[in-house]
Amino acid sequence: QSVLTQPPSVSGAPGQRVTISCTGSSSNIGAGYDVHWYQQLPGTAPKLLIYGNSNRPSGVPDRFSGSKSGTSASLAITGLQAEDEADYYCQSYDSSLSGWGYVFGTGTKVTVL
Amino acid sequence: QVQLQESGPGLVKPSQTLSLTCTVSGGSISSGDYYWSWIRQPPGKGLEWIGYIYYSGSTYYNPSLKSRVTISVDTSKNQFSLKLSSVTAADTAVYYCARVKASWEVDYWGQGTLVTVSS
Repeated sequence: QSVLTQPPSVSGAPGQRVTISCTGSSSNIGAGYDVHWYQQLPGTAPKLLIYGNSNRPSGVPDRFSGSKSGTSASLAITGLQAEDEADYYCQSYDSSLSGWGYVFGTGTKVTVL
Repeated sequence: QVQLQESGPGLVKPSQTLSLTCTVSGGSISSGDYYWSWIRQPPGKGLEWIGYIYYSGSTYYNPSLKSRVTISVDTSKNQFSLKLSSVTAADTAVYYCARVKASWEVDYWGQGTLVTVSS
């Protein structure tokens, strides 16, 4: 069980905007640790989508954006496309996990209707 | 362009040791700017960090696996390796090797290799 909770699934029609939440606590996101986001297309390795809460690596479309507030972070996809159908994971650090704090969120499956 | 490639047996018997190697190309594993990590994903489930190693040999392991995990590095071959002992069916997963930046995002992943634990 991860300390970072995501909704199991979200869905939207092509062109719509969807958001994925990553809910943490005062020992991880709320403590100021950065949040990173990954996209995992079916049958492939995860790919870095957002780093440092809101930064996009080169080549990632600006349809993807990240934000952080309080003990939560969010990934937004605007202008949803069929190729965005994938699993998405957040990642951060948790200071309550003695000797180890690097955790992934529970993951969210995005379905394009 | 940095590339990582996992190699090793796809089938391991229960109670035996799982051994995988990650070969890094397009960049030096001796660069002090990165950590080199193993991450796994059981079929249909989420990602789990196993541990990581610095080029100097310093290692850090997930406490839930620490008693069974060893990660080592061979800078002369630009490789790092994973050993997981006393495996059970619960260790069946796709195992990824990955490069981790100092700010803790994983910027490069291997393609992953499925390891099945079965007799």
